[in-house]
Amino acid sequence: DIQMTQSPSSMSVSLGDTVTITCRASQDVGIYVNWFQQKPGKSPRRMIYRATNLADGVPSRFSGSRSGSDYSLTISSLESEDVADYHCLQYDEYPYTFGAGTKLELK
Amino acid sequence: QVTLKESGPGILQPSQTLSLTCTFSGFSLSTYGMGVGWIRQPSGKGLEWLANIWWDDDKYYNPSLKNRLTISKDTSNNQAFLKITNVDTADTATYYCARMRLFDYWGQGVMVTVSS
Repeated sequence: DIQMTQSPSSMSVSLGDTVTITCRASQDVGIYVNWFQQKPGKSPRRMIYRATNLADGVPSRFSGSRSGSDYSLTISSLESEDVADYHCLQYDEYPYTFGAGTKLELK
Repeated sequence: QVTLKESGPGILQPSQTLSLTCTFSGFSLSTYGMGVGWIRQPSGKGLEWLANIWWDDDKYYNPSLKNRLTISKDTSNNQAFLKITNVDTADTATYYCARMRLFDYWGQGVMVTVSS
């Protein structure tokens, strides 16, 4: 199975920060990486698809990038509504696999 | 408008079979390229992909659950189903279905507890 090693597992952040979360794929997954935001008691919301594409309705302060096997989600100028859990997913190869998640907490 | 909604038994006992239903609207599983998947999340833990079913009835399963999974669909009634046999406490989780157009829409999830 492809491992998606997500870091950090948690992050203490301040409003206005630029936040970067990274997933490293254990083998090539091409562009087939999504990023999801999940708030307590809610289902995941797709934020980024195919590594770099902003999903409909997602604020432009969110962006996705790829460098080799490293995939990153960046939130520029963090707002309070962005405090949530974030998950990466590879869907290049079965079984699809998620990263372990990153929890953003306010300082 | 695309919506998905999961339904399930809520609670069941170890060794029983878990039957889940995903009822959706706004798309059809008979459309070329369309699919529905199941994902679960134990409380406080990460997400785990379980299975996909596609418009052409192709099915894919997570081998970590060995042969316990069966996914199926009823195209006429816009439903997808997942069965998990021989459940135990490790199967306690919130179960989601999602549209497999790059995971663009998810249901609200259904909590399932396995307990004796």
